[in-house]
Amino acid sequence: DAGVIQSPRHEVTEMGQEVTLRCKPISGHDYLFWYRQTMMRGLELLIYFNNNVPIDDSGMPEDRFSAKMPNASFSTLKIQPSEPRDSAVYFCASSFSGVAFFGQGTRLTVV
Amino acid sequence: AQSVAQPEDQVNVAEGNPLTVKCTYSVSGNPYLFWYVQYPNRGLQFLLKYITGDNLVKGSYGFEAEFNKSQTSFHLKKPSALVSDSALYFCAVESAGNMLTFGGGTRLMVKP
Repeated sequence: DAGVIQSPRHEVTEMGQEVTLRCKPISGHDYLFWYRQTMMRGLELLIYFNNNVPIDDSGMPEDRFSAKMPNASFSTLKIQPSEPRDSAVYFCASSFSGVAFFGQGTRLTVV
Repeated sequence: AQSVAQPEDQVNVAEGNPLTVKCTYSVSGNPYLFWYVQYPNRGLQFLLKYITGDNLVKGSYGFEAEFNKSQTSFHLKKPSALVSDSALYFCAVESAGNMLTFGGGTRLMVKP
């Protein structure tokens, strides 16, 4: 298995634009997590899914953020409209039996 | 609520010397504890975990961690540091539903 795959690796967008981040989890994993990493706040859990169902989205900062998992092999995190303070590295991770495997992240820059 | 704390932002050690990266936890019930490592421009990689049993847990790349219930600590250790061990290290605790709560991270710098 190629591991957790995220795309794009880098995204630069203008304030106000819609941004969609994508994640393909490891096959067979039943949990999927979206994290955000910044220097100021460290690693923050945004939302997680179990068997494609959102379980806890209390970490989603605002209504501008939304996440979906239409099937076991794909998830998206959307920001609309984007703002400069959304600039961060966004990680997707999947897990089975407690150990999480992380993708390489998407570095988002909103200018 | 489950939480972990990493009291040191950075740890400096000379190559060949033993290293310790500290972590303390606050949980209700039995803790499930983890260590992850992050190299530059990469995602986090699993190093080791403690669920139950032996207080000394062995993991990847020669790392081990010591669980101490009385001190509520789970310190990461390695007998002999390598320059290639330089990275960002995260302690984490598992909450309900496989959810991991991470500490703030400790940057390990190993100098030749």
